[in-house]
Amino acid sequence: DAGVIQSPRHEVTEMGQEVTLRCKPISGHDYLFWYRQTMMRGLELLIYFNNNVPIDDSGMPEDRFSAKMPNASFSTLKIQPSEPRDSAVYFCASSLGLAGSPGELFFGEGSRLTVL
Amino acid sequence: AQKITQTQPGMFVQEKEAVTLDCTYDTSDPSYGLFWYKQPSSGEMIFLIYQGSYDQQNATEGRYSLNFQKARKSANLVISASQLGDSAMYFCAMREGSNFNKFYFGSGTKLNVKP
Repeated sequence: DAGVIQSPRHEVTEMGQEVTLRCKPISGHDYLFWYRQTMMRGLELLIYFNNNVPIDDSGMPEDRFSAKMPNASFSTLKIQPSEPRDSAVYFCASSLGLAGSPGELFFGEGSRLTVL
Repeated sequence: AQKITQTQPGMFVQEKEAVTLDCTYDTSDPSYGLFWYKQPSSGEMIFLIYQGSYDQQNATEGRYSLNFQKARKSANLVISASQLGDSAMYFCAMREGSNFNKFYFGSGTKLNVKP
């Protein structure tokens, strides 16, 4: 089975531009998580979905960030407008719930974003 | 309060020795899971081992074992017979079953295995 698929793997853009990161979760998984990783702040949970519905978006840093999950096989994380401090690796991960023991997260390879 | 605390930012271990990476957690949820992930320099996140809150036995997976002390709320990872390929960042994580399955990660421990 294919794992979690993220695109693009690398994105370099200029400040003020819109950035869209994409994620295809593992088929059958009902949870999808977006994380951001930086040296300074470590792994931060931005938002997660259950059955395509956002459950907790308290980690989304500002209104410039938005995430959608229009169906069970696709999610996007959008940053508009982007700023240099948004430079990070963005991970998407999917899973079954804890009841689907062990309920571990399966991570994509990450999207490395650089905002100049 | 931090949900997951990893107090060792970095550690060194000699090749072939065992090493323990510390993790404490904070939850009032009776149903939770504890996880360890490895992140090598290449960046991918690799799931290593899982311990459920109701599990009576400590989890083991090959050279990895989880020292689960429920009363102390600790879930230390033990790596036996360290190898050079074990050099990586290690993250402890917790998932709360009653809290909408939210997933919490610690700040990580950077392990360096010396030849």
